[in-house]
Amino acid sequence: DIVMTQSPDSLAVSLGERATLNCKSSRTLLYSSNNQNYLSWYQQKPGQPPKLLIFWAYNRESGVPDRFSGSGSGSNFTLTIDNLQAEDVAVYYCQQYYTTPITFGQGTRLE
Amino acid sequence: EVQLVESGGGVVQPGGSLRLSCAASGFTFNNYWMSWIRQAPGKGLEWVVNINQDGSGKYFVDFLKGRFSVSRDNAQNSLSLHMNNVRADDTAVYYCARSGGYGWDLWGQGTMVTVSS
Repeated sequence: DIVMTQSPDSLAVSLGERATLNCKSSRTLLYSSNNQNYLSWYQQKPGQPPKLLIFWAYNRESGVPDRFSGSGSGSNFTLTIDNLQAEDVAVYYCQQYYTTPITFGQGTRLE
Repeated sequence: EVQLVESGGGVVQPGGSLRLSCAASGFTFNNYWMSWIRQAPGKGLEWVVNINQDGSGKYFVDFLKGRFSVSRDNAQNSLSLHMNNVRADDTAVYYCARSGGYGWDLWGQGTMVTVSS
């Protein structure tokens, strides 16, 4: 199974500042035949289902503010949130869909 | 409105069975792979199963094979998860989700399953 490890476990960032969340996979998520990284990011607020933010490592889902950006390739990925807003307080998960079992990171709590 | 609505959760005794349902609306259900993902109280997300568009392909996480099964009814725009011989560690919110091929782009609100005597 591909193990996804996120860091840090929690992160406190001031409003208006930048948050940097990391995700590392135990195997490459880069599929050579299409040069795509099979990595998504989700945001989950208390009492709500997760919301897809980023797919293919850096593509923003429709309606997601451009303050959110994804980067990285292979086995190291980053979610960056610029100009942090109060509504960004949530738990963020990375997820690989390179192979089954589909696996998630343990989450980073952003405060 | 594009949405997924789960139902069927509740309290079930260890060793019992439960059937969860997910009603889809607002999109062409039979165009999409569908999934169940669960989340134990205070814990992270755990993928359970994927089912392809016509229901012929089903892919479970290994440790649930044999106890859980999945089906879909494209005529009724519905997805089901059949849980058998449940255990305490099956206690979780179960989410139904639509797969866009690149992650899950539509989620239901979830249904809570509590396994307890």
